[in-house]
Formats: sequence, structure tokens, C-alpha cells
Amino acid sequence: GEDVEQSLFLSVREGDSSVINCTYTDSSSTYLYWYKQEPGAGLQLLTYIFSNMDMKQDQRLTVLLNKKDKHLSLRIADTQTGDSAIYFCAESPLSYNTDKLIFGTGTRLQVFP
Amino acid sequence: DSGVTQTPKHLITATGQRVTLRCSPRSGDLSVYWYQQSLDQGLQFLIQYYNGEERAKGNILERFSAQQFPDLHSELNLSSLELGDSALYFCASSPQRGGQVSYEQYFGPGTRLTVT
Repeated sequence: GEDVEQSLFLSVREGDSSVINCTYTDSSSTYLYWYKQEPGAGLQLLTYIFSNMDMKQDQRLTVLLNKKDKHLSLRIADTQTGDSAIYFCAESPLSYNTDKLIFGTGTRLQVFP
Repeated sequence: DSGVTQTPKHLITATGQRVTLRCSPRSGDLSVYWYQQSLDQGLQFLIQYYNGEERAKGNILERFSAQQFPDLHSELNLSSLELGDSALYFCASSPQRGGQVSYEQYFGPGTRLTVT
């Protein structure tokens, strides 16, 4: 079935690292994504990883993929107050005609000074 | 700015009414997707169009329909509205052509629908 799980809430101190975790179900998913949603705003694509990769780094963001356990994580280094938002992971199950996204429940990241 | 535009930004209407949400994809993107974000259901895929043709359907109610026009903009029509249809409706676009390759989807700012 299609089910992507995330913890609902994470609170970190400014300057620390944040790690947001995600568990997905469809092993056929070719790409896995992280999106950010700030209050009252749309979804911003942060980064994505191809399923044959274990890690991808993009400035302060590091994505780790454990395909065996179907576990995806997003690490934000030197977390800032501007990083406070809801973070969604999403998978794109393999299909012959569509790459619709299946989203997780979202993790609300709160950064305090 | 993702390059995807949606209008209107906010919409307030009464139960039983019909509304149309509009989306303009990024320049050159042939695929348009509609998603619904609600408190109880989260973010759910509704429907995808590719170059004017319906490509995939998700959890879209029969009261809802969509289309993609020759200029590639898309409209989502919601009819016989119920209180539970109140949600944020997102449009996304990608250059996706089908098959096993996935492309990034870029989201518009959304239309917030309130049904009273």
C-alpha cells in the first residue's frame, strides 16, 4: 500500500543539526523527495535523491537513503530560525504512465534561539 | 517563485456551489498535477494531465473534474461543494513524459478553498 510515515514534530536549538526521518513503503520508488512548507505558503522542493544513491549533499542539507529499510532522512546543518517550517518527504512509485507523489504526514520543525 | 501560478489565492463559497481553480504551469512543462491538502487527509494526489490528456487519477471525488487546455493551463472544477471540501488545493508541473523516469515537480502557491 501507499503509506509514507514521518514523526510529527521536532524542536531544535538554533545552530544545532536537525534530522528529520521518513519511512516509505514502495520499494519501486525511483526518486525520493524533500519538500518544505512555510506557514501560508506552497511547497518548495528542497532536494531529492535517486534510489540507487545512498547519500546526497547540497550545502547545509544531507539526504541519507537506506533502501533496505526504506528509510530516508534529511539532515539540516547549522539550523536557523528561518528553517522553521513543515518538511514533507515524498516518494514516486514506479509506474508506466505517472510519477505522482505520495507524501508523508509532514514534520513540523521548530527552531528556538 | 516556482514559476507555477494559481488563481484565485483564496475562495470562500457556500455548500452546494461550484468553483473553478486555475493553474498555469512553468514554461515548457507538459505535465500538470493537482493535489489536495487538508487537516484530516494530509497531502493527496488528485489527478495528472500530460499535454492535454488525463494521465493518472488518485483520490479524486466524482464531483471533481479537471482538464488541461491546448495552452497547457489547467482547471480543477469542484461541484456540489461540501464542508469537507475545504482545503488547500495545489497545482504542480513537471516536464514528465511518462515512463519510468521521474522528474521534479514544482508547486504553485495553492488556492485556499473555504466552504461555509
